[in-house]
Amino acid sequence: DTAVSQTPKYLVTQMGNDKSIKCEQNLGHDTMYWYKQDSKKFLKIMFSYNNKELIINETVPNRFSPKSPDKAHLNLHINSLELGDSAVYFCASSQVPFAKSSPLHFGNGTRLTVT
Amino acid sequence: GQQVMQIPQYQHVQEGEDFTTYCNSSTTLSNIQWYKQRPGGHPVFLIQLVKSGEVKKQKRLTFQFGEAKKNSSLHITATQTTDVGTYFCAGVTGNQFYFGTGTSLTVIP
Repeated sequence: DTAVSQTPKYLVTQMGNDKSIKCEQNLGHDTMYWYKQDSKKFLKIMFSYNNKELIINETVPNRFSPKSPDKAHLNLHINSLELGDSAVYFCASSQVPFAKSSPLHFGNGTRLTVT
Repeated sequence: GQQVMQIPQYQHVQEGEDFTTYCNSSTTLSNIQWYKQRPGGHPVFLIQLVKSGEVKKQKRLTFQFGEAKKNSSLHITATQTTDVGTYFCAGVTGNQFYFGTGTSLTVIP
């Protein structure tokens, strides 16, 4: 059974479109995250939710909007996609917020290509 | 700016050679975690170090946390082709969690 699953795996779209990425975890974790990994492999935190409450909101364009309907799901909606949004987006979860030393479990990633 | 730096950024080794990646933080870390990301894959948690000077081993991998809790290292003895990937350290400082810049390891058979 997949612990952290995100869909779709690949997303190719044109500039200006709106798209969503979905993430679900079946680990019973309280905290979920969205990370962006660029072409140089840098992992940058975007958002974090703990029990459906937003706890981290890094400097991310407001075209990106996370939504957590329950603590097992964290979706990411992106409006007006730009070329620079092309990257791999990883969803992750941890038992408690990572500041409390809880390992992160990552999904398989969504490779977003904006043309 | 980036709080946790790793060196080298890239490393090519011949199979059987040793490999080390170093992780340096500008601030004292509460703990350090290490992750491995295979090509095309996702980061996978390897280990966590908490105590100053702590050393942990996993088969051919040796992890060390510095005495000042500002640096860490991962050493792989006698690399194998299965060791290929990018290794990330990640540290907690204050209420923030930072991933290192990563070291991409290529193992030449």
